[in-house]
Formats: sequence, structure tokens, C-alpha cells
Amino acid sequence: EIELTQSPATLSLSPGERATLSCRASQSVDKYLAWYQQRPGQAPRLLIYDTSNRATGIPGRFSGSGFGTRFTLTIDRLEPEDSAVYYCQQRNHWPPITFGQGTRLEIK
Amino acid sequence: QVQLVESGGGVVQPGKSLRLSCSVSGFVFRSYGMHWVRQTPGKGLEWVAVIWFDGTKTYYRDSVKGRFTISRDNSKNTLYLQMNSLRGEDTAVYFCARSAGSYVGPFDSWGQGTLVTVSP
Repeated sequence: EIELTQSPATLSLSPGERATLSCRASQSVDKYLAWYQQRPGQAPRLLIYDTSNRATGIPGRFSGSGFGTRFTLTIDRLEPEDSAVYYCQQRNHWPPITFGQGTRLEIK
Repeated sequence: QVQLVESGGGVVQPGKSLRLSCSVSGFVFRSYGMHWVRQTPGKGLEWVAVIWFDGTKTYYRDSVKGRFTISRDNSKNTLYLQMNSLRGEDTAVYFCARSAGSYVGPFDSWGQGTLVTVSP
């Protein structure tokens, strides 16, 4: 089973700043890494798939990069609505499809 | 618009069964693979099972294999999860999610979730 480790666990930033979230895989997942946003009380929402492709309706402030075992989600010009938990997910080696434990982003 | 609505959750005793449903609309259901994902406060998001667009293939995580069955009725636009021999560790919010594609793609649409509580 591929283990995904996200860092940091919590990130506290101000509006307008840039957030950098990391996801490390226990072995290569090629490009098959996705990012999801989950706001409190809501279902997860797909942000980025296959490392760097934005899902439909996702603003350009969100971008993804990486390959193999190291991946990054970058959120530019933070807005209060970006407060959420962000999860990475791999679908290269499955079953099982696995998720990281999440990074909580607080916009203060 | 794309909609997925889960139902069937509730409180159930250990060892009992429950069937979850996911009714979809706004897209051609028979063209997409579908997943069940669960979430607990302690373990975060956990993939449970997937079914191919045509129902010919199913895959499960080890901890539910032999106890849970994913199925679909493409004529009714509905996905199911039959859960038998439930355990306390199955307590979670269960989401259905659509694969972007017929097989295993990123999960591009999700339902709002239904809570399953396994308790004596």
C-alpha cells in the first residue's frame, strides 16, 4: 500500500499570501497524484489531478507540481474561503487508492 | 448539474447489515466508474471500493473484502454498497464519488455523505 505523508499538518497564513503544501509518497506514483479541498461540513472537492491539471471551475490561483514521490500544491493570493483541509491522493498503485492525512490551512 | 445523493446510513449493531444507496443525476451514469469513500475523524479519508462503468469489475480495500459488496443499477442511476458483518471500525461518513472516466480516474464529483454508526 502506498503511504502518502502530507506536511505541514497545519498552516496558518494571511490573506494575499502564498501557501505551499507538500505530499510525499512512499514509492513512486508517477504523475497520478490528485489534490482535494474539504471545507468544514462539506464533501471533498477535486482541485488538481494528474499532478498539475486543474479540475473544472478551479481558479488559476491553485497549481500543482511534482513527479514520482514528491508533490506540491501551491495556492497564490490566499482568500478567506481557502480555509479548509487539503488532501492528496494517489491512484497509480491500487487497490487501495490512498489519501494523505491532510493539511489544515487556516487563513487568519 | 451533476448530483450524487447518498442515503441508507444509520445506527446499526455490530454484526448486522446495512445497504447504502447513491442516486445520481445530471450525467450519463452508465459511462462512469464509481467509488465509495469513507471518512472518520481519526483516519481521515479512506477509499472503500470501486466498480467499473458497466459493473463488470469491482475492487475493495482489504479490511472490507468479503463483507462489503459494491454494485450498481445503470437503469436506475443508482450505486449501492451492501455492508455485512459490520464492525465498530466501519463507523464513518460514507461518500459516493464519480471517477473521471469509465474506470479509475480522479474523483471529480462527490455526494454529501451519509453517516454509518456501528454501536451495541
